[in-house]
Amino acid sequence: NAGVTQTPKFQVLKTGQSMTLQCAQDMNHNSMYWYRQDPGMGLRLIYYSASEGTTDKGEVPNGYNVSRLNKREFSLRLESAAPSQTSVYFCASSEILGTGMFGQYFGPGTRLTVT
Amino acid sequence: AQSVTQLDSQVPVFEEAPVELRCNYSSSVSVYLFWYVQYPNQGLQLLLKYLSGSTLVKGINGFEAEFNKSQTSFHLRKPSVHISDTAEYFCAVSEETSGSRLTFGEGTQLTVNP
Repeated sequence: NAGVTQTPKFQVLKTGQSMTLQCAQDMNHNSMYWYRQDPGMGLRLIYYSASEGTTDKGEVPNGYNVSRLNKREFSLRLESAAPSQTSVYFCASSEILGTGMFGQYFGPGTRLTVT
Repeated sequence: AQSVTQLDSQVPVFEEAPVELRCNYSSSVSVYLFWYVQYPNQGLQLLLKYLSGSTLVKGINGFEAEFNKSQTSFHLRKPSVHISDTAEYFCAVSEETSGSRLTFGEGTQLTVNP
């Protein structure tokens, strides 16, 4: 039981390049999330997926796209990376949207640098 | 809409001293409250949560938090900290309505010195 896994762990991109961050969970959770973490700003929600087949914008969606490939997998794509997207990205999952009574479970993060 | 404020960005303490990390929230409805811990270069781990009932909640690693509805606070405490408690701590709130999202505070860096 691996929980929430993310790949890659580290990535360096040049401005304008594209990439996809992968996330998978093995807890049979319905809801999945992508956050970015920047110093002094806590975690900010980029996109979320309440259930398989649905996605919605969070607090900071500009410059990102997502795909809920199936119940297990939720990917985040940067089409044209910008230095402002340098951050640590976390994927999370929960049994239902929000937290309900169970909280969210987080992956180990992807540290992205855009030069 | 809900919001969370963590009142201290950094808290340095000596080993075996008590510590309190402060969190205030704002919401017009009932809420669920959470504390997460993030060790260096790791993801977030749930420390404890308040859903309902007793206002004093006990979590892992000897931490506890008290929900105070009148002061809209959910402060985290530990009576005696260890070096291994050095980490960043995040308070989070979710409104008790269907589909509500989790909102995080800015985080408090706890540094325990020998």
